[in-house]
Amino acid sequence: EAGVTQFPSHSVIEKGQTVTLRCDPISGHDNLYWYRRVMGKEIKFLLHFVKESKQDESGMPNNRFLAERTGGTYSTLKVQPAELEDSGVYFCASSQVAGANEKLFFGSGTQLSVL
Amino acid sequence: RKEVEQDPGPFNVPEGATVAFNCTYSNSASQSFFWYRQDCRKEPKLLMSVYSSGNEDGRFTAQLNRASQYISLLIRDSKLSDSATYLCVVKGRYNAGNMLTFGGGTRLMVKP
Repeated sequence: EAGVTQFPSHSVIEKGQTVTLRCDPISGHDNLYWYRRVMGKEIKFLLHFVKESKQDESGMPNNRFLAERTGGTYSTLKVQPAELEDSGVYFCASSQVAGANEKLFFGSGTQLSVL
Repeated sequence: RKEVEQDPGPFNVPEGATVAFNCTYSNSASQSFFWYRQDCRKEPKLLMSVYSSGNEDGRFTAQLNRASQYISLLIRDSKLSDSATYLCVVKGRYNAGNMLTFGGGTRLMVKP
């Protein structure tokens, strides 16, 4: 069974440019999460989709970040315009059933470098 | 104050040693607790859930103390392959937000 896949694995862009990250969850997983780890900090929650709906976007840092999950399958996270502090590793995770016993599967992440 | 605090380490131990990590969490409403393992430049992977009664999985034992709001992980008979960063993770009730809250991780290096 394919795991959570993320694309690209690395992205290097200049400040002010736009970048779009993609996540393909495990097939059949309704829950999709975005997390990120910026340098020297802990991994932090960005948002949670249930199918195509945003269940919780309380972790999104500002309106330069836009996440979508049209059709409830793959998700994209767009950063426009990118700033230096956006550099870090962006992880996507998915699960079948949310709640206390939820088992989350993480993708290998996208390393974003904003120069 | 961070929501989940861990000693970043590194903990340098010889093969075969027993090593213990602790973490503390600030949100008393936290309901679920986990240890994740993260290898260098890889994604976090669930190592084990942590239950109130304590639980064991092979060489790994996890304990939860709700009164003191701390979680521990004990690794017995350390292997070279145990070298990684161990992340303490908590989660609140579903209707209070389903996100995971991560600690900064404790780095373990097992030496021959």
